[in-house]
Amino acid sequence: GAVVSQHPSWVICKSGTSVKIECRSLDFQATTMFWYRQFPKQSLMLMATSNEGSKATYEQGVEKDKFLINHASLTLSTLTVTSAHPEDSSFYICSAGTAQTQYFGPGTRLLVL
Amino acid sequence: QQQVKQSPQSLIVQKGGISIINCAYENTAFDYFPWYQQFPGKGPALLIAIRPDVSEKKEGRFTISFNKSAKQFSLHIMDSQPGDSATYFCAVSDSSYKLIFGSGTRLLVRP
Repeated sequence: GAVVSQHPSWVICKSGTSVKIECRSLDFQATTMFWYRQFPKQSLMLMATSNEGSKATYEQGVEKDKFLINHASLTLSTLTVTSAHPEDSSFYICSAGTAQTQYFGPGTRLLVL
Repeated sequence: QQQVKQSPQSLIVQKGGISIINCAYENTAFDYFPWYQQFPGKGPALLIAIRPDVSEKKEGRFTISFNKSAKQFSLHIMDSQPGDSATYFCAVSDSSYKLIFGSGTRLLVRP
C-alpha cells in the first residue's frame, strides 16, 4: 500500500513553455500533498503544501504565479511550471500520506532548454 | 538557519559493517523523525521513523536511536550490504506535517 505515482517521469521543454506534472495517490486518499524540488546532489526543498479543495500554501521564496498547484481531488495534485526557464530544470517530487507519514512519488525530471 | 544538521556528508563502509548517520535539530516542537533512503533518479523511500516518546526503534537491520535531551537522532544500519549504497536523509516534522530534510549522507558499502 501507500503508493504515489507521478507523471511524466521526465520531460524536456523549450524555454517559455509551461509544463504540468501530476501526482496521484493510488491506494489511499490524501487531503494534503507536498511538492519538493531537488537539485543535483542536494537535499529536498519543500516548495508548497497542496490542500484538497483550497489554495496551496507556498514556502518562502517560491513564486506562486510560476508554480501553479491544483489539488482537484483527494488523489490528485498537479504542479504546473509556467513560462519555464533553464534555471527551473530540476527534479520535482511530490509526497502524500496520512498525517506526518509521507510517501514520495518517483519524481519528475524537468529539463528546460 | 539550518533546522536539521546531518553528518557525515559521505560514508564508506565495508560489507557487514555498521553504518551510522547522525542528525541534530534545534526546534523542540518537532515530534516526528523519519529517515528516508534515495537511490539515484528515484524518489525517497521511507525507511523508519520515530517519535520522541521512545529512545530507540528497530526494524530489521535499521535502528533509530533518539536522544531527546541532546536533540539528536541517528540511523544505524547493521550488517551493511552493497545494496544499501544510496543517499540517506533524515527529516523532522511538527504539527504542520511539513518535512524538513537534512543535507543527506551518501553511503557506499564496499563488497
